[in-house]
Amino acid sequence: NAGVMQNPRHLVRRRGQEARLRCSPMKGHSHVYWYRQLPEEGLKFMVYLQKENIIDESGMPKERFSAEFPKEGPSILRIQQVVRGDSAAYFCASSPPGLAGDSYEQYFGPGTRLTVT
Amino acid sequence: QKEVEQNSGPLSVPEGAIASLNCTYSDRGSQSFFWYRQYSGKSPELIMSIYSNGDKEDGRFTAQLNKASQYVSLLIRDSQPSDSATYLCAVNPQGGKLIFGQGTELSVKP
Repeated sequence: NAGVMQNPRHLVRRRGQEARLRCSPMKGHSHVYWYRQLPEEGLKFMVYLQKENIIDESGMPKERFSAEFPKEGPSILRIQQVVRGDSAAYFCASSPPGLAGDSYEQYFGPGTRLTVT
Repeated sequence: QKEVEQNSGPLSVPEGAIASLNCTYSDRGSQSFFWYRQYSGKSPELIMSIYSNGDKEDGRFTAQLNKASQYVSLLIRDSQPSDSATYLCAVNPQGGKLIFGQGTELSVKP
């Protein structure tokens, strides 16, 4: 399967714990995007990364959220000290290499459903 | 004004009919436009992309773009019950991120 992979598919955390969401892009893709979909709301952009670089983090909450895409391994979205409002579906998407600012089709992974109790 | 607006649903069409989904966007400098289909509980699936004015056809799907009117649409011909889903319009203003509309729920009745 050469699609975008995300794990875990479901994650339950208690308030105050940390959540780590992982994303491996499609083979040959080097751009990774994270989106969040709150219940009954649309998809909202969070962050755009290339290997070892954050290109655009304009959609990331200022506190508790961070993202990385290391030289080796998957991209990680980290949420520290989770609160109930963080409960949502988190989707990762990837696109092929190109210049930042070029527009390429983005392909989505299956998502991680985060539930904060 | 929302950055990307879609016609409110739900939209119900009989099987075999044409479903018409509409989307307007506010950033006149946007260059890339996409339609995604999302089944309940699943992730968005890319079904069409369009970059220049006019029509683009792919099977039963036709995307239409009018940059002067800041308008993009999706037509689904010969609608099938399996087309029942939420359709998301997405716009890339610049720099890679996608701005999504709220989605239009389509129901195709047998």
